[in-house]
Amino acid sequence: GQNIDQPTEMTATEGAIVQINCTYQTSGFNGLFWYQQHAGEAPTFLSYNVLDGLEEKGRFSSFLSRSKGYSYLLLKELQMKDSASYLCAVSTGGFKTIFGAGTRLFVKA
Amino acid sequence: SAVISQKPSRDICQRGTSLTIQCQVDSQVTMMFWYRQQPGQSLTLIATANQGSEATYESGFVIDKFPISRPNLTFSTLTVSNMSPEDSSIYLCSLSPGTGNEQFFGPGTRLTVL
Repeated sequence: GQNIDQPTEMTATEGAIVQINCTYQTSGFNGLFWYQQHAGEAPTFLSYNVLDGLEEKGRFSSFLSRSKGYSYLLLKELQMKDSASYLCAVSTGGFKTIFGAGTRLFVKA
Repeated sequence: SAVISQKPSRDICQRGTSLTIQCQVDSQVTMMFWYRQQPGQSLTLIATANQGSEATYESGFVIDKFPISRPNLTFSTLTVSNMSPEDSSIYLCSLSPGTGNEQFFGPGTRLTVL
């Protein structure tokens, strides 16, 4: 079966660093995505990993280990506006993408 | 990135009625997707809408309940038929420029069924 696991909720302090983990078991793998979704809005693309290693983009970094079926999203210098849900998603081949349930991040002052 | 619009943005409907949601894209795309996001849940793929052929439905979703049209490369509709309160959800259309690429999502349609 297809399974993507990530924590339901996390809380962090403004200015801090937070790591959101994601593990996956899928029948195919064509890349892993992270999306950000603010309440009441559509998801927006953050990052894409298809090879093992770290991809850095400003305050956001994403890591992938295909052998372990594991990824994490690292957010640095947290800001209040980073309070949102973060969705881990796996492209399983063709045009199909499976989404995890999302991690709701609360950033407090 | 593509600009995607959806209509209506929200609606409140009575049990037993049907609602058609429209998705318009500002560029031609081969594949469009319809997702459902129930309150507090993640995105669940309903179907893939191919231009010129029947939509491909995921397990648990059937054409009689969620008929889809894709008359051209920039437009698609999803109908939620014979609605019940369990259909209350956000419905989103999306597109992907190619295999493995990120998806772009429309703003969503928030549906409440009474």
